[in-house]
Amino acid sequence: DAKTTQPTSMDCAEGRAANLPCNHSTISGNEYVYWYRQIHSQGPQYIIHGLKNNETNEMASLIITEDRKSSTLILPHATLRDTAVYYCIVRAPGNTPLVFGKGTRLSVIA
Amino acid sequence: GAVVSQHPSRVICKSGTSVKIECRSLDFQATTMFWYRQFPKQSLMLMATSNEGSKATYEQGVEKDKFLINHASLTLSTLTVTSAHPEDSSFYICSATFAGNQPQHFGDGTRLSIL
Repeated sequence: DAKTTQPTSMDCAEGRAANLPCNHSTISGNEYVYWYRQIHSQGPQYIIHGLKNNETNEMASLIITEDRKSSTLILPHATLRDTAVYYCIVRAPGNTPLVFGKGTRLSVIA
Repeated sequence: GAVVSQHPSRVICKSGTSVKIECRSLDFQATTMFWYRQFPKQSLMLMATSNEGSKATYEQGVEKDKFLINHASLTLSTLTVTSAHPEDSSFYICSATFAGNQPQHFGDGTRLSIL
């Protein structure tokens, strides 16, 4: 079972920041937080991951609370192409699989 | 970035046919590959974990004799759906990773339709 809780759906205006929350209150000390997204009829795309520090890359920023029980994925300037299902997943080190929950369906609106 | 290629992207075949799906890591050596299945409007469900050179580990409820997995090299894993039936119609997706904390990278999936 997925160890994360995400809102079912969210809307965001094009050009605005999209902030996607995720609760992972039972996360273990060695588990990382991963974010993926899936555009319709494609395989999931890796976005970003982190352990406890905030992370930023060319796609997004990941903000992890100090107690690590929740995180927020930030897409700074959402475009229509960012419309997708976004999955927040916690995963232990080692070659363990990603366990997908239901994710958040983000709709970017013009 | 790391690239995973999956082939074919779409298969339509008659009931009783066996179908082979290939998953290749193009620019890295994948010590572990994973196979997922996704039904319409549902999330990805893990089917099996495949380590190079060893037998795959199947999730509960996934028939190993029905879904044959081979991971003979560090860049190729195959999933064969044997004697496929309409209920096996689904979106099959593979992923690969080369080190413990590195992200898994996914193929673009294979849409299997059994008539």
